[in-house]
Amino acid sequence: AQSVTQLGSHVSVSEGALVLLRCNYSSSVPPYLFWYVQYPNQGLQLLLKYTSAATLVKGINGFEAEFKKSETSFHLTKPSAHMSDAAEYFCAVSDRGGGADGLTFGKGTHLIIQP
Amino acid sequence: KAGVTQTPRYLIKTRGQQVTLSCSPISGHRSVSWYQQTPGQGLQFLFEYFSETQRNKGNFPGRFSGRQFSNSRSEMNVSTLELGDSALYLCASSLLQAGAETQYFGPGTRLLVL
Repeated sequence: AQSVTQLGSHVSVSEGALVLLRCNYSSSVPPYLFWYVQYPNQGLQLLLKYTSAATLVKGINGFEAEFKKSETSFHLTKPSAHMSDAAEYFCAVSDRGGGADGLTFGKGTHLIIQP
Repeated sequence: KAGVTQTPRYLIKTRGQQVTLSCSPISGHRSVSWYQQTPGQGLQFLFEYFSETQRNKGNFPGRFSGRQFSNSRSEMNVSTLELGDSALYLCASSLLQAGAETQYFGPGTRLLVL
């Protein structure tokens, strides 16, 4: 069984500051890992994904995440926050077995950007 | 390429009614997955269809069902609606089976059950 834990349901940072959103996963098989962003009244937009090609993954809008197997983590970072980054962020895991078990999501982290 | 589209975007029903939601995947995508999003339970996997066959199902009662057509479009149906079914229902499509490919999400259908 897979699970995802996102530490902090709300994270507040100042505009221009570092963004760090934490995600820890549990999986019985090597995982695929994803970060999605959701703006109000919209669906989920893929930010980036890890599929074992490289442990440091770069995504859209200046976001990146690093896969650390020893820590079972996949934290999302952005060097400098922008007001437009305010949204809900979801970390998700999927197994590699090819089985269609869907994505398992964390509870989400609401990112607040202070001017 | 057009993204995933879902219709309708908003829906109001009363308890006991049934509802059908529609999803058109990205052109060429053969897998369609459905998720329910609520404030309390978050995002939960409902089921996934690949080439008109349901490949897996999440932990939801039998009132929740779906199907996929030969053109990969999918519908989900909820019968005997309950207040707790009020949620945002998201559809996602991917090229292959959901476990191996990135899923691209539609804007969702917001269902309110009164």
